[in-house]
Parts: sequence; C-alpha cells; structure tokens
Amino acid sequence: EVQLLESGGGLVQPGGSLRLSCAVSGFTFSASAMSWVRQAPGKGLEWVSAISGSGGATFYAVSVKGRFTVSRDNSRSTLFLQMNSLIAEDTAIYYCARSYASGLYHFDQWGQGTLVTVSS
Amino acid sequence: QLGVTQSPSASAALGASVKLTCTLSSGHSTYAIAWHQQQPEKGPRYLMKVNSDGSHNKGDGIPDRFSGSSSGAERYLTISSLQSEDEADYYCQTWGTGFYVFGTGTKVTVL
Repeated sequence: EVQLLESGGGLVQPGGSLRLSCAVSGFTFSASAMSWVRQAPGKGLEWVSAISGSGGATFYAVSVKGRFTVSRDNSRSTLFLQMNSLIAEDTAIYYCARSYASGLYHFDQWGQGTLVTVSS
Repeated sequence: QLGVTQSPSASAALGASVKLTCTLSSGHSTYAIAWHQQQPEKGPRYLMKVNSDGSHNKGDGIPDRFSGSSSGAERYLTISSLQSEDEADYYCQTWGTGFYVFGTGTKVTVL
C-alpha cells in the first residue's frame, strides 16, 4: 500500500523557518518525482515545489522561490521542504504528492497534510 | 500562458449525474489534465488523468461511475449515480515544463 506521511508543521513567527518531511512507503521512491502543494484556509490548491526522482532537478512557484528549498533522501524514502523567511501568506496545510513518473507528470498519490501557521 | 478554468459550483440530485468542465487556456488544447477530489476536511485524492483524445486513466479504486472525456480545449469529469459521499471539491490540474497549475475548484453539492 502506498503511503505518504507529512510531518514537521507547527506554529512559527514571521521571518522564522520550518522544515517539513514526507516519509513514503509502498513504492520505489527514486522512480517518482515529488511535489509539495499547499492549501491556505478556505482556499484552493497551490503547487509549491517539485523535485525529480534523482533529485537533480528542482522547481519552484514564484511565490516561494528564493525562500523555500526542496530536497529528498532516496536512501530514506523521504522528501523535505525547508521553508525560510516565512510570512503570514505561507499559512496553509502542506501536502506532499507523488508524480506519476520520474519527471513532472500528474499527481497520483497524496499525503494527508501538515498544518503550518505563521503568526506572531 | 498555461492555465485551467473551472466553474465554482455544480449541483445535482442524489442518484443523478453531473458533468464538470475544466477549460485549458488558449493555445494549450492538446494538454492532458488530471482530476482530484477533496472531500470535506480531507486531503485530495487522485481520480483520473484525461487526455486530449478523451482517453482517461483512473486511479486505484475509483468507481466506474466516475468517467472522463474531452472536446477541444475542454476536459470533463462526469459523475453518474451521485452518492452523498461525492459532495466535495473537484480540482483539475495540468502541467508544463517545470511547473504545475491547478484550477480554482468546483464545489459539487448533492441535493
């Protein structure tokens, strides 16, 4: 059974940092690109960042470029999102999602999400 | 610029059918899209990918009453025999080189 489990969310002050993790099981992690998607309270889905299966290519939404860094550890089947210089607009549930293949394709598996709240 | 447009809401009676539309931006009518369902207070769930020729590939365990189709720049999700658990938000997604785009979602209400 494929599972994606996010962790690391919490309350952080504006300007602070947080590192999210997504531990996966049930499939060959290195064979799939992975993404982070967020959902602000009462809003729709917003793609945040993606990383290729090998980790050699990374991609970011304009809203987070230069502040967020995506990475992965294929030996531990874990995806990460380092979030720096956080602002109130980053408050959201953050989901990890699996791409259909090693490149950027549609998402075919989702995690349950972890809540990030940026507030003083 | 690649984008997708969805109507904000749709409704139909229990047991009836509803057809949702996702429209690709001008010049991108050959792109595939994916449909995702988000039930209240839950994470999204992948339903299917819909190609420009109307073929579709459903996720594991998705009931037969969910189907996809295409016409020009429009991609459709049809839900037949509506059940109460189908009341949810439905998002379409497309992708380009190095990025993804989501529609704003369609809220389906089962009457």
